[in-house]
Amino acid sequence: LAKTTQPISMDSYEGQEVNITCSHNNIATNDYITWYQQFPSQGPRFIIQGYKTKVTNEVASLFIPADRKSSTLSLPRVSLSDTAVYYCLVGEATGGFKTIFGAGTRLFVKA
Amino acid sequence: GAVVSQHPSWVICKSGTSVKIECRSLDFQATTMFWYRQFPKQSLMLMATSNEGSKATYEQGVEKDKFLINHASLTLSTLTVTSAHPEDSSFYICSAQNRDRAGANVLTFGAGSRLTVL
Repeated sequence: LAKTTQPISMDSYEGQEVNITCSHNNIATNDYITWYQQFPSQGPRFIIQGYKTKVTNEVASLFIPADRKSSTLSLPRVSLSDTAVYYCLVGEATGGFKTIFGAGTRLFVKA
Repeated sequence: GAVVSQHPSWVICKSGTSVKIECRSLDFQATTMFWYRQFPKQSLMLMATSNEGSKATYEQGVEKDKFLINHASLTLSTLTVTSAHPEDSSFYICSAQNRDRAGANVLTFGAGSRLTVL
């Protein structure tokens, strides 16, 4: 299983774009990259998933370089309600998807 | 979208009793579910992989006789904390494996169950 490394914490202000980078140097060919958001005392919530290049949905974008050894979650114009812990997970998406959570990034959005 | 229901959301019990937590996939079938525990301000720690119709696979260091997992149907997995002690107090979260429209695996998580053992 590919190990992931993220910054422990980040601060931002409302309205700013926030980019959180995750390193996964030993990602395997069949691995996908998935990001989750977790609020206190709640289960994680799916944000976005990708394999290569760029993926965008209604809440975020995911940028993956050609070597796939890292990925960047981009949150446009954050609000106070985006204060949460963000986890980057790497795992095989077509077979069993055993997940090992890293420490995550604690994002704090200030007014 | 896919929904996973976890029950109870919180439970308080006396030391020595057993507690059962249910995890249900409401609108999809899940042959594989996962159980995690999370301590305050820490990440989720995978406890075991629950496979429908077969024995669960436990992570190293997790006592299988302490944390009984049963995945008797395609929509239900249960975690029973047997003879609970205060050190078992934690936030327990389940997830179910599902596939998105592109066929890739996605995990849907339950809301979690907070266990407090007195």
